Formats: sequence, structure tokens, C-alpha cells
Amino acid sequence: RKEVEQDPGPFNVPEGATVAFNCTYSNSASQSFFWYRQDCRKEPKLLMSVYSSGNEDGRFTAQLNRASQYISLLIRDSKLSDSATYLCVVNREGATNKLIFGTGTLLAVQP
Amino acid sequence: DARVTQTPRHKVTEMGQEVTMRCQPILGHNTVFWYRQTMMQGLELLAYFRNRAPLDDSGMPKDRFSAEMPDATLATLKIQPSEPRDSAVYFCASGLVPDGQTVRMDTQYFGPGTRLTVL
Repeated sequence: RKEVEQDPGPFNVPEGATVAFNCTYSNSASQSFFWYRQDCRKEPKLLMSVYSSGNEDGRFTAQLNRASQYISLLIRDSKLSDSATYLCVVNREGATNKLIFGTGTLLAVQP
Repeated sequence: DARVTQTPRHKVTEMGQEVTMRCQPILGHNTVFWYRQTMMQGLELLAYFRNRAPLDDSGMPKDRFSAEMPDATLATLKIQPSEPRDSAVYFCASGLVPDGQTVRMDTQYFGPGTRLTVL
């Protein structure tokens, strides 16, 4: 079982739709969580950090459920430009911190 | 607009050949990370450096891979000999961590990657 698991998709949604991605992680000691976005054949870029209380950035809302070891990303009013792969990322705490990436969920927003 | 640069952007080589990938971190950054991305495994951390010293290279196959920082403006990842299973995109990332602070993983900036194909 991978340390960070995501549904690979693809999620095909029409413009304006609301879409939600889920992610589970296996290391209960993890303390920091992130969503990264990766466009086709490009490098990953930080989309947002995920805080315990949940956080929102415009059309994007991230939530964390520590008890279930589950992270989510909600995108409202999706745009064509939201089409990308969304990577769930967990910081494995330890002597040296390390980011563990999920394999990503592909989102395709259709006109 | 400061960016991490990587060379070459694409590399096709034959099994058994040596491959060297280079990374120039953002000027002033003191941490450098090497990642490998494949369809099956996703992004995996191979190694990282802080102030040019290796902090963690546990993700790197030691028998054929080596990572170094000859100076603050250059990081290298070498594979010798290369094998077809090394085919992947290799990303370098850099960040700035003040001395005495734990490395924060949300402040990494990725380079464009080197797409390696080993035949």
C-alpha cells in the first residue's frame, strides 16, 4: 500500500462544475499536508497548504481529517484552466523531513 | 523572476552510458532537492542538500546514482551505468531555510525537469 493514495481519475467535468478530490495517507504521525498542481509536461507547483481547521483560497477549499487520515480538495466553478494533475502531498516528519507525493488525480474541465 | 534551471531538458542515451544532470538553484537558496517522477511511482525524493551538505539520500539507489553540490550554484545528479528502468523525469527543486530552522517542505521551487530515456 502506498503511503499517500489518490484516485488517479481522470475526472471529466464541465466548466462551472464543482469537483472534489480525496486523498488518504497511512502515516498517522504526519503533520503537514499540501496540494500541488502539475500541468502536462511541467513541474509541480504548490497550490495550497492544508490546515487542520480547513482553509480556502478563492474557488479552492482544502480540508483535513486527521482521525480518518484523509485530505480533500474542492474546486468550485471550475475553469478550463483548472485542467491539470492535482498531487496530494504529505510531509513525513523525522530526523530529516521528506515530502511524500501521491501519484496525482487528473482533472479535465470540458467547455 | 528567479527560477531553478536544469540541463539538459531532454536526454536519450543507451544502457550502460553515464548520465549527468545539472541544476542551478535560485540564487540565495540553501536547500536543493532531487526528485524522480514516473507514471507508476509518481514523484519520489532521491536526495537533498542543505548548505551544500547532503542531508538525506536514502531514496537514491547508491550503487549507480550519486548527487553532489560542487558549489552553491550547481547541483549534479549522476547515473553510472544507466539502465532502462532509470527512464523518468528528474526534477530539481530549491528553497531557502534560515539556519537553525527545520526544512519547510512547502517552500520548494521546482525546475522544469530533465526527461531521461535510457534505451
